Amino acid sequence: GQQVMQIPQYQHVQEGEDFTTYCNSSTTLSNIQWYKQRPGGHPVFLIQLVKSGEVKKQKRLTFQFGEAKKNSSLHITATQTTDVGTYFCAGGVFSSNTNAGKSTFGDGTTLTVKP
Amino acid sequence: GAGVSQSPRYKVTKRGQDVALRCDPISGHVSLYWYRQALGQGPEFLTYFNYEAQQDKSGLPNDRFSAERPEGSISTLTIQRTEQRDSAMYRCASSLWDRYNEQFFGPGTRLTVL
Repeated sequence: GQQVMQIPQYQHVQEGEDFTTYCNSSTTLSNIQWYKQRPGGHPVFLIQLVKSGEVKKQKRLTFQFGEAKKNSSLHITATQTTDVGTYFCAGGVFSSNTNAGKSTFGDGTTLTVKP
Repeated sequence: GAGVSQSPRYKVTKRGQDVALRCDPISGHVSLYWYRQALGQGPEFLTYFNYEAQQDKSGLPNDRFSAERPEGSISTLTIQRTEQRDSAMYRCASSLWDRYNEQFFGPGTRLTVL
């Protein structure tokens, strides 16, 4: 079945440093979503990418979807302590045959930021 | 407005007992998903519904797990004859539709099987 891998598993940075997490799927995706989960919390939606090669920005966060729609990245510029948490990608695959679809989550990258 | 709610928030049960976990999605959301999340891992898909129809149950681990959404709103995930390996956080999420829509997650039910 579909697999979604994320690297690195953990990232420790000094406040102000940049951070990048990478997501790779074993199959071509219909879309990719990114979620953030704070310690003790639940996943919260950040953004969705649908088009091949798409790039979206949210303030200090930049999201990219690969040309082959099998990989994605999230880059945070100048991290702040509020960026702490686990970032998950979720690769969506939708079938026109079954008229059903689902997203497969990666295991996330946990970011810690040292003030 | 109200988000996704789940009950109970915590459930401790003895091995062999049945448990029922409830999810109340955001009003008007067609799609409802069940996930299981182990510590340090991402949400693992179990099953999902559009309205009352179960669209995909490929993630249910075995036939002890079942889910229903009889009126297209509230859903129940039932685990029969619980085993210690069933201990996990069970999360429910809902979305407007199953494609290209963000999922709103509930707070989860922490299940512990003794």
